[in-house]
Amino acid sequence: QQQVKQSPQSLIVQKGGISIINCAYENTAFDYFPWYQQFPGKGPALLIAIRPDVSEKKEGRFTISFNKSAKQFSLHIMDSQPGDSATYFCAASHDYKLSFGAGTTVTVRA
Amino acid sequence: GAVVSQHPSWVICKSGTSVKIECRSLDFQATTMFWYRQFPKQSLMLMATSNEGSKATYEQGVEKDKFLINHASLTLSTLTVTSAHPEDSSFYICSAPRNRGNSDGYTFGSGTRLTVV
Repeated sequence: QQQVKQSPQSLIVQKGGISIINCAYENTAFDYFPWYQQFPGKGPALLIAIRPDVSEKKEGRFTISFNKSAKQFSLHIMDSQPGDSATYFCAASHDYKLSFGAGTTVTVRA
Repeated sequence: GAVVSQHPSWVICKSGTSVKIECRSLDFQATTMFWYRQFPKQSLMLMATSNEGSKATYEQGVEKDKFLINHASLTLSTLTVTSAHPEDSSFYICSAPRNRGNSDGYTFGSGTRLTVV
């Protein structure tokens, strides 16, 4: 049973466009919500993370929006670049144990 | 900082043999290490949690006698896949929380691609 539901499964965006990935959770005990970027054959790398007392966090071209009442959070990738083509995972943590979403494969077309 | 070094990055072994995967925390003490398994185009599934000096905790459905985890020191955790079979072929990844308070997140190893032939 996946505790974090992620959509879409894949998306294609033109260079310079915006990629949006959504995640939803049920467990209100989750207290840390990171996003990871993974390239083929590599381990996940932390992109950006947020805690439930914050509604938005921006780091460079990456923004997390967090809606605590709806139990949803999303990743926005602005000005998408071909190097952003990767698989993105949302996750949620409670008692320092991570639950991952199913992943979204993002393809940025030049 | 907060690097987890995982070795080997890939390994091919014959059915019935055992394979050991190592994860070392290079610049911090990893009292806890999480071990994940990832099949192609799928998410990371937590297999077990190891704590330094104590027995590992396995997730439901994971055979503890097949996936032996040892966390003998604050900087080294190992996963041994015993009597490997082709269905054990997968990408194995370790991860350590940088502290128990989650304030700095988690550091992941680079993964080990296991192929059992």
